[in-house]
Amino acid sequence: QLQLQESGSGLVKPSQTLSLTCAVSGGSISSGGYSWSWIRQPPGKGLEWIGYIYHSGSTYYNPSLKSRVTISVDRSKNQFSLKLSSVTAADTAVYYCARINDYYYYGMDVWGQGTTVTVSS
Amino acid sequence: SYVLTQPPSVSVAPGMTARVTCGGNNIGGRQPVHWFQQRPGQAPVLVVYDNSDRPSGIPERFSGSTSGNTATLTISWVEVGDEADYYCQVWDSSSDHMVFGGGTKLTVL
Repeated sequence: QLQLQESGSGLVKPSQTLSLTCAVSGGSISSGGYSWSWIRQPPGKGLEWIGYIYHSGSTYYNPSLKSRVTISVDRSKNQFSLKLSSVTAADTAVYYCARINDYYYYGMDVWGQGTTVTVSS
Repeated sequence: SYVLTQPPSVSVAPGMTARVTCGGNNIGGRQPVHWFQQRPGQAPVLVVYDNSDRPSGIPERFSGSTSGNTATLTISWVEVGDEADYYCQVWDSSSDHMVFGGGTKLTVL
């Protein structure tokens, strides 16, 4: 069964770059029909889509974050990553990675447990 | 950008039927609607995809439908364990962007 696990720095200083990795286990990140996404949830608030990398390698980002976000895949390590630059306190959130399943009409059917990132000096 | 609107809260007694709505411009005629359940402190779980289909392992009590400008998640025979936040989500094909509704807190009285 496919599993996702987020990892990265839990505390980031303002103006610095947030870096997270999502390790894929129980399956290959290169399997056809799947793409990979990042979502976040500020404390006490709803889900916010950050972006995704399609299985073709194309990337799509939330317009409100586009200038600061980079999502990439490392197929040799079976993982994908998120970088968010110039962070502020507003970027404090639980960050989730998820698999997008073409066979579920792009539904996100597998999620990581989430990792908390706090932006503070 | 495409906007999805959900009521902040819905309350229901155990054993009854809960309906959570998700409003969006012609949502029934656009890309498929997906629904997620998020229990406190846990990651979201996909409970309905493509408007009305259930992933394996999701009880038949969970069903979805769309009509006009509204998508609806229906939970029959509500249990205490169904108390959670529920989110609708679509993939907007015009922009290749994903959009979430604001979420609805389901309280089981």
